[in-house]
Amino acid sequence: AQSVSQHNHHVILSEAASLELGCNYSYGGTVNLFWYVQYPGQHLQLLLKYFSGDPLVKGIKGFEAEFIKSKFSFNLRKPSVQWSDTAEYFCAVRGGYNNNDMRFGAGTRLTVKP
Amino acid sequence: DGGITQSPKYLFRKEGQNVTLSCEQNLNHDAMYWYRQDPGQGLRLIYYSQIVNDFQKGDIAEGYSVSREKKESFPLTVTSAQKNPTAFYLCASSTQGQPQHFGDGTRLSIL
Repeated sequence: AQSVSQHNHHVILSEAASLELGCNYSYGGTVNLFWYVQYPGQHLQLLLKYFSGDPLVKGIKGFEAEFIKSKFSFNLRKPSVQWSDTAEYFCAVRGGYNNNDMRFGAGTRLTVKP
Repeated sequence: DGGITQSPKYLFRKEGQNVTLSCEQNLNHDAMYWYRQDPGQGLRLIYYSQIVNDFQKGDIAEGYSVSREKKESFPLTVTSAQKNPTAFYLCASSTQGQPQHFGDGTRLSIL
């Protein structure tokens, strides 16, 4: 089965700083990749997804992620974070369009200081 | 509104008891999932089901059981064999090729 590794357990930034959260996956075939966010006390919400095509995908709230196939990576970025971005972020991988087996990383907690 | 409903929101269990967590969806999704969320470990897949009357074990299925008798429902039973059941349990559903939608979760605690 596929697996996901998120390198940063807890990231602390000041407002307006740039953000990059690492995500690497292991799977030998075609993958679908996702970033989810969980704000305090809320359920998981989809930030963005990659299925195919342009490896640079843009999501909600100014987030983007780049799929680098050679590195098995799907890092999440935001040029300038806000206090309201404080949340936990999860990377997830699914083995292709017809595969419903989805696995999540351990999550990265982001704290943005005002 | 379409969505996923998990109940109850909080659940307490005595040692040695089985408990069942409910998950219902009205999104007409074929696939449903159960995850366990623990601090620092993210979401770990317990079971998933791609169609009615069929389900597969995830990474941590031991001590859990599921059923999928109806498309809308995917209850999870935490049995007494689960040694460390205290956790936050999340149910999700998806349709072919699409991202998962999540419920609000059930927090299970052992008395």
